[in-house]
Amino acid sequence: EPEVTQTPSHQVTQMGQEVILRCVPISNHLYFYWYRQILGQKVEFLVSFYNNEISEKSEIFDDQFSVERPDGSNFTLKIRSTKLEDSAMYFCASNGHKVTDTQYFGPGTRLTVL
Amino acid sequence: KQEVTQIPAALSVPEGENLVLNCSFTDSAIYNLQWFRQDPGKGLTSLLLIQSSQREQTSGRLNASLDKSSGRSTLYIAASQPGDSATYLCAVRTGANNLFFGTGTRLTVIP
Repeated sequence: EPEVTQTPSHQVTQMGQEVILRCVPISNHLYFYWYRQILGQKVEFLVSFYNNEISEKSEIFDDQFSVERPDGSNFTLKIRSTKLEDSAMYFCASNGHKVTDTQYFGPGTRLTVL
Repeated sequence: KQEVTQIPAALSVPEGENLVLNCSFTDSAIYNLQWFRQDPGKGLTSLLLIQSSQREQTSGRLNASLDKSSGRSTLYIAASQPGDSATYLCAVRTGANNLFFGTGTRLTVIP
């Protein structure tokens, strides 16, 4: 069964460094998302992406964050200058041809900012 | 702003018991509701999706119901097994194309 994949599974970085989290959504899906989950807290929406542009973003997704679909398969989240509070599990998700279809999530990248 | 609440926060049951997990949401203008399972340190596995026009969905031992007008959903698990131990999350999709998640119910099934 097709699945969303994410790399790396764990990323450790120093505060102020840039990180790029990578995702490969399910191949025929059209809608892509990033969510994050701080330890012990709810899963929170960051951004959605459709037709090569951001369609929705939350208050969390400020100028330090950006997303890109550099080719036909990858979907990336970049954090320009990481802060301690960016430490969290970051999940990529995708869904198919209708925005109301099931969202499928990847296994996550655990980001630790020191 | 949509708020999603799940009760109880944690639940322990002996193996074989049937159980119900609850989810409530404050804004009934939703497109659909999705139930997920999350194992410790892992990603989210989609269990069931109920569209706003539907009342329930079933998959194996799982049955999810939706009462949109009252802002409630339940996930019924029949004949629970130790392998069902996980955190169960509900999430609603509103007019925006994102999901609002609840805090989850941590289920432990005791052999």
